Amino acid sequence: DAGVIQSPRHEVTEMGQEVTLRCKPISGHNSLFWYRQTMMRGLELLIYFNNNVPIDDSGMPEDRFSAKMPNASFSTLKIQPSEPRDSAVYFCASTDNRGVTLRAQYFGPGTRLTVL
Amino acid sequence: GQNIDQPTEMTATEGAIVQINCTYQTSGFNGLFWYQQHAGEAPTFLSYNVLDGLEEKGRFSSFLSRSKGYSYLLLKELQMKDSASYLCAVRDPGATNKLIFGTGTLLAVQP
Repeated sequence: DAGVIQSPRHEVTEMGQEVTLRCKPISGHNSLFWYRQTMMRGLELLIYFNNNVPIDDSGMPEDRFSAKMPNASFSTLKIQPSEPRDSAVYFCASTDNRGVTLRAQYFGPGTRLTVL
Repeated sequence: GQNIDQPTEMTATEGAIVQINCTYQTSGFNGLFWYQQHAGEAPTFLSYNVLDGLEEKGRFSSFLSRSKGYSYLLLKELQMKDSASYLCAVRDPGATNKLIFGTGTLLAVQP
């Protein structure tokens, strides 16, 4: 089975440009998470969705960041305008949270973003 | 708030056993996860604990004491490929899906 799919794998852009990161969760999973990882701050949750609905966006740094999940198999994270401090690896993860069994989150390969 | 502490780095010898500790302070408890992350790759799930005690999975075991807010990951018969960062994560008690990650322990396995 395919795991979580993310694109692009690498993105280099200039300050001020719009960046869109894409994620396809594992088929059948109903929860999707966007994380950011840096050396300084580690792995931080930005936002997560349940059944395509945003549940907690308290980790989104500021209004420059936005995320959408138009359907169960696709989500985007957009940064507009991008800044050098947004440089990080962005991971998407998914899980199935239906029922009472505790289940792990499965991560995609990540998008390495560099903003010059 | 939530707080998770892990040692920053550890070194061990191939073939040996290593224990990576994790302590947490949370307003409640709803499960603890361990992930492995090789350099430049995504975190991969290793194990989880909900109840006190030891969970064994091949060379890897994870232990939990809820009363002490303490967990450890035990790696036996270390191999060079076990060199990676090991992340402890606690499930947010107020939100069933949210994981709070520690900063990770970078394990270096030496010959």
